[in-house]
Amino acid sequence: GAGVSQSPRYKVAKRGQDVALRCDPISGHVSLFWYQQALGQGPEFLTYFQNEAQLDKSGLPSDRFFAERPEGSVSTLKIQRTQQEDSAVYLCASSLRVFSGETKNIQYFGAGTRLSVL
Amino acid sequence: RKEVEQDPGPFNVPEGATVAFNCTYSNSASQSFFWYRQDCRKEPKLLMSVYSSGNEDGRFTAQLNRASQYISLLIRDSKLSDSATYLCVVYGGATNKLIFGTGTLLAVQP
Repeated sequence: GAGVSQSPRYKVAKRGQDVALRCDPISGHVSLFWYQQALGQGPEFLTYFQNEAQLDKSGLPSDRFFAERPEGSVSTLKIQRTQQEDSAVYLCASSLRVFSGETKNIQYFGAGTRLSVL
Repeated sequence: RKEVEQDPGPFNVPEGATVAFNCTYSNSASQSFFWYRQDCRKEPKLLMSVYSSGNEDGRFTAQLNRASQYISLLIRDSKLSDSATYLCVVYGGATNKLIFGTGTLLAVQP
């Protein structure tokens, strides 16, 4: 399909395990975002890429969280030594142009990865 | 205090009713405003942008009051298919990111 694709859709991890979540943005989209959505909450910004450059990682909760987009397309969010509080849905979004809040530069979201840490 | 605040609901309304959601934001420098819709266990999707003069898209009307830092969404003639969570979203210019409210849950009853 032509939308944002995320894998896996569901991930169960034991506390202390490392996990890697993948995002395939819409082809040609310059901007890529990761969000964390806890149950009953809205998505919270984690990090932003413009092509391969990670321009903002201010939302990453701790140094256990790491994201990359080495070739400016596919992105991976890695969480090391997972904790129970990491349980959430991780959403990826992409937009066509450099992000500036312009109303027509819409962010398209993937279906998310639901992470459960036991 | 959260940057974007919404009443979480739920709002339970009968089909055909008119329902309004409100949202307030704390950053007076915010530049762009949106309503997203999120169905249960699905991704958020843009419903509509909100313009200063107010704007309408079919049964949906969005309003912005910059002086009061307040955004609203009005849904007329509610349909069962309108049942979803409605997320108020603000673009904070200085931070170059979208800030989401917690969402308002709407349940339209037959």
